[in-house]
Amino acid sequence: EAGVAQSPRYKIIEKRQSVAFWCNPISGHATLYWYQQILGQGPKLLIQFQNNGVVDDSQLPKDRFSAERLKGVDSTLKIQPAKLEDSAVYLCASSLVGVRTDTQYFGPGTRLTVL
Amino acid sequence: DQQVKQNSPSLSVQEGRISILNCDYTNSMFDYFLWYKKYPAEGPTFLISISSIKDKNEDGRFTVFLNKSAKHLSLHIVPSQPGDSAVYFCAARRSQGNLIFGKGTKLSVKP
Repeated sequence: EAGVAQSPRYKIIEKRQSVAFWCNPISGHATLYWYQQILGQGPKLLIQFQNNGVVDDSQLPKDRFSAERLKGVDSTLKIQPAKLEDSAVYLCASSLVGVRTDTQYFGPGTRLTVL
Repeated sequence: DQQVKQNSPSLSVQEGRISILNCDYTNSMFDYFLWYKKYPAEGPTFLISISSIKDKNEDGRFTVFLNKSAKHLSLHIVPSQPGDSAVYFCAARRSQGNLIFGKGTKLSVKP
């Protein structure tokens, strides 16, 4: 079974530029999560999708971050414009249905550096 | 406001000995806890979990203990192996299914 795929793996941009990350979850997984992991911290949830609907985006900085999950499969996360403090690893995860006992499977992440 | 706390940034143990990683939480509404393991340049991988109705869950060399009254859980690895060297994250699951993570503890197992 293929795991969660993410691209690109690394991205370096200058502040005020835009950037987009892509995630392809495990086939058949209805729930998709984007987490932000700043160096020295644990992952922090940005947004959770159930199929193509948003379940929780309470911690997404909506003035600059946006995410979509068209057709309930792949997802993209965009930052526009980027700030220095956005430097982090962006992790995508997926789970079967999103209930408490579901296991979340993580992709390898995209490491973003904002200069 | 950290709801899940891992107060030890690092831990070093000798191969074959026990590793004990600790985690505290503040929200008594959490009812499911997980441990994830992370190697460099990889995403976290699920290790073991425990429901709040239990006080112990065991899977091979890994055992998680939960003390609800103290809002404390711990992960025991016995015996520790060099391949266990990684960052371990404690996480609590929220009602929507997403996770709140601690800052992680870096475990080094010396041969």
